[in-house]
Amino acid sequence: DGGITQSPKYLFRKEGQNVTLSCEQNLNHDAMYWYRQDPGQGLRLIYYSQIVNDFQKGDIAEGYSVSREKKESFPLTVTSAQKNPTAFYLCASSTRSGNEKLFFGSGTQLSVL
Amino acid sequence: KQEVTQIPAALSVPEGENLVLNCSFTDSAIYNLQWFRQDPGKGLTSLLLIQSSQREQTSGRLNASLDKSSGRSTLYIAASQPGDSATYLCAVPNTNAGKSTFGDGTTLTVKP
Repeated sequence: DGGITQSPKYLFRKEGQNVTLSCEQNLNHDAMYWYRQDPGQGLRLIYYSQIVNDFQKGDIAEGYSVSREKKESFPLTVTSAQKNPTAFYLCASSTRSGNEKLFFGSGTQLSVL
Repeated sequence: KQEVTQIPAALSVPEGENLVLNCSFTDSAIYNLQWFRQDPGKGLTSLLLIQSSQREQTSGRLNASLDKSSGRSTLYIAASQPGDSATYLCAVPNTNAGKSTFGDGTTLTVKP
């Protein structure tokens, strides 16, 4: 089955710790995205990548970092600089730069210990 | 900057009722508009994608319409069922950067 796999489903971060969320897709999509969702709110874009080895900041990139070394993978690191990291994180992909249908993973819930 | 608004924020209806969810956007220069469904603690599932050249799209009991000139889209759900209970979000891609702006969603509860 083609799709987007996010792991882990739940993640806990200690004070001062960096954590990495995994996102893998086998849809052969060029574009990948990371969104953050807070309770009762819509999604806000953190980072996006339209091609391997290139990525751009979204609306709320501070405290986050990404890499795009492979077409299939777009990991997100939540750094210690992100002071309010508790949220639901969603990874998405599309065939081109967002003008086509967006496909989403099942999400990672990040909480602070 | 594109802004997307969904009204109402929550809606409760009895089973079998037809209902309409609304989505409005401020910048009418869009490529498409996508409707999603989200169950609690889950990712988003695409329901319908309307291209800017289209007026509507249908899938089963769902019908989505698009009026670019007025900056509005509606999602019509016919003969609602308890299984339709979820949060429904609309999203439009940014024309410059290919990133999408989402509404805050409408949480639908269908009572048996």
